[in-house]
Amino acid sequence: EVQLVQSGVEVKKPGESLRISCKGSGYTFTNYWIGWVRQMPGKGLEWMGIIWLHDSNTKYNPSFQGQVIISADKSITTAYLEWYSLKSSDTAIYYCASTEDGNFYWDFWGQGTLVTVSS
Amino acid sequence: QSALTQPASVSGSPGQSITISCTGTSNDVGTYRYVSWYQQHPGKAPKLIIFDVRNRPSGISNRFSGSKSGNTASLTISGVQAEDEADYYCSSYVSSTVYVFGSGTKVTVL
Repeated sequence: EVQLVQSGVEVKKPGESLRISCKGSGYTFTNYWIGWVRQMPGKGLEWMGIIWLHDSNTKYNPSFQGQVIISADKSITTAYLEWYSLKSSDTAIYYCASTEDGNFYWDFWGQGTLVTVSS
Repeated sequence: QSALTQPASVSGSPGQSITISCTGTSNDVGTYRYVSWYQQHPGKAPKLIIFDVRNRPSGISNRFSGSKSGNTASLTISGVQAEDEADYYCSSYVSSTVYVFGSGTKVTVL
């Protein structure tokens, strides 16, 4: 069974850096894409970007380009979402999701990581 | 790339059918058959309920159905039940920004 397990709750100050993770299991990791989704408090879902685990080919939503870095380490079947300098507006729940290469829907989801940025 | 347009809320009595629309443009919904729908209960991760416009994943009730006409996709819940009360989001593939979500619809079962 495919499972995505995300890292735990984070509380950070503005200007700090952060990397959260999404570990996959139960499937051939390199045949899949991982996507990251933001959900700000009380708001809807927003696509941030996706990464193909085979070769780390990454595509960003222009709204998030330059704001975050998406990466992956296929040796440990883990994808990452990283910030170099957090802002209070980065406070949100971040979900990872997966889809097999060639599909265009996201059938497995992580449990979400709550990131709170506050001084 | 703006979010796809969904009604903010839709409601219905148990057993009734409700339909949620998802309006995009010729750059997304109108061009690609890659529209999917996600159900999100409070405090939970989204769950895929429809993919490729009208297909249901294994284990999803056949009360959920999808369709598309032009730039608008639709999700219909036939015989809505209390457990269907949740937020629903459509999503479309877009070659430029890869994917876009709809604005989300809160379904209330009266």
